[in-house]
Amino acid sequence: DQQVKQNSPSLSVQEGRISILNCDYTNSMFDYFLWYKKYPAEGPTFLISISSIKDKNEDGRFTVFLNKSAKHLSLHIVPSQPGDSAVYFCAAADSNTGKLIFGQGTTLQVKP
Amino acid sequence: DTEVTQTPKHLVMGMTNKKSLKCEQHMGHRAMYWYKQKAKKPPELMFVYSYEKLSINESVPSRFSPECPNSSLLNLHLHALQPEDSALYLCASSPPDTTDTQYFGPGTRLTVL
Repeated sequence: DQQVKQNSPSLSVQEGRISILNCDYTNSMFDYFLWYKKYPAEGPTFLISISSIKDKNEDGRFTVFLNKSAKHLSLHIVPSQPGDSAVYFCAAADSNTGKLIFGQGTTLQVKP
Repeated sequence: DTEVTQTPKHLVMGMTNKKSLKCEQHMGHRAMYWYKQKAKKPPELMFVYSYEKLSINESVPSRFSPECPNSSLLNLHLHALQPEDSALYLCASSPPDTTDTQYFGPGTRLTVL
C-alpha cells in the first residue's frame, strides 16, 4: 500500500515557465513533508519542507503548498531552468519512527 | 554545512567477497540511516541508528551488517552478496531533536558480479 504517491512519472516544461509537481498521501498522521531533488548516480538533495501547521512555504524559486483536507501537496518551481532537470521525490515524515516515506518520483525535464 | 560523505564512490565485488561501505558526517547529527536505491525507484530504508544504537532494521538480510562505531561514523559490512544487491547505497543523517529532515550523502554505486 503506497502511502505517498506521485502520479505523474514525468513532466516536461519550457525554460522560464512554471513547473508544478504533485504529491498525494493517505495517512492523515503525517505532519511533515519534504521535497528532494536527485540527479542520476547522486544522492537526493533536500530542497524544501513544510510542516502540517502551514499551507505554504517558499524558498527562492521553490514553493511548496499543502492542502491537508485533500491530503495533497505540490512543489512549484518558477521560473524553471534547465539545471532543474532531475527526478523529484516527495516524502512524508513519520515522526513516531523517524522514517521517511517516499513517493515514486517525477522526472522533470526543462527544455531550453 | 549539511555534508554527508560516503566512500567508496564505486565498488565492484564478487559474491564471495567481504567489503565495507563507509559514511561520515561532522554536523553533530545523532540519527544516521542506510538506504538502498534501485534505478528509477525511491530510496528504500534499510537501517536506522539513533544515538549510536540500532533502532530500526527493515528486515534486511544478514549479509548486510551495519555498524556505528561513533556518532560521526556509520559502516555497512557486506558479505556473500547476490547480483540483485547491486544498487546505489545511500547514507543519510538528521539533526538531534528531529528526525524529520534527512540529509543524504552522494551514495556508493555497488555492483555484485
